[in-house]
Amino acid sequence: DVKVTQSSRYLVKRTGEKVFLECVQDMDHENMFWYRQDPGLGLRLIYFSYDVKMKEKGDIPEGYSVSREKKERFSLILESASTNQTSMYLCASSLLPPRGTGNEQFFGPGTRLTVL
Amino acid sequence: GESVGLHLPTLSVQEGDNSIINCAYSNSASDYFIWYKQESGKGPQFIIDIRSNMDKRQGQRVTVLLNKTVKHLSLQIAATQPGDSAVYFCAENINDYKLSFGAGTTVTVRA
Repeated sequence: DVKVTQSSRYLVKRTGEKVFLECVQDMDHENMFWYRQDPGLGLRLIYFSYDVKMKEKGDIPEGYSVSREKKERFSLILESASTNQTSMYLCASSLLPPRGTGNEQFFGPGTRLTVL
Repeated sequence: GESVGLHLPTLSVQEGDNSIINCAYSNSASDYFIWYKQESGKGPQFIIDIRSNMDKRQGQRVTVLLNKTVKHLSLQIAATQPGDSAVYFCAENINDYKLSFGAGTTVTVRA
């Protein structure tokens, strides 16, 4: 079974704290993604990675950074958390770019982060 | 900019009836589309996909229709069940790696 796991389901942090969100996939996928999900806005791409140590900015990278030291693990870092980063964070992985066959993105269960 | 949108944010359907969820997209160059289902407290799950060289694709109880002329995508669920209650997202690929998601339609199944 395809599996994407995220380190926490719920997280509460204070403004200014450094926050790490971890994502692990066991499918040997090349591509990994971080999204945030807010009511009425759908899923917005923060960063993605198509290979180890490679990363690309998504649509809303400001205030975030990422790390991909191993193929199976993709970390999202909030250097200094702010209240407007309170959101649901979703990690996903895919085997091939979307233009290939059978290359949908597989999602983790999400981390609901609250910044006080 | 390019965007994917769903026509209605909510849909209420009687158990046993068919559901139709609509999605409009604006990128005429998109050649791959996906429907996802997200149940409460879970991440989105793949339902069905379709490539732009097709007009229709069927899965188990679900059918996706693609009308490239008017840039419209729909998901039909046959004989809707309580377990179909969820948020449904359409997504289009906008380059080799990225998917663009709509805001989602919340489907509620009435018993």
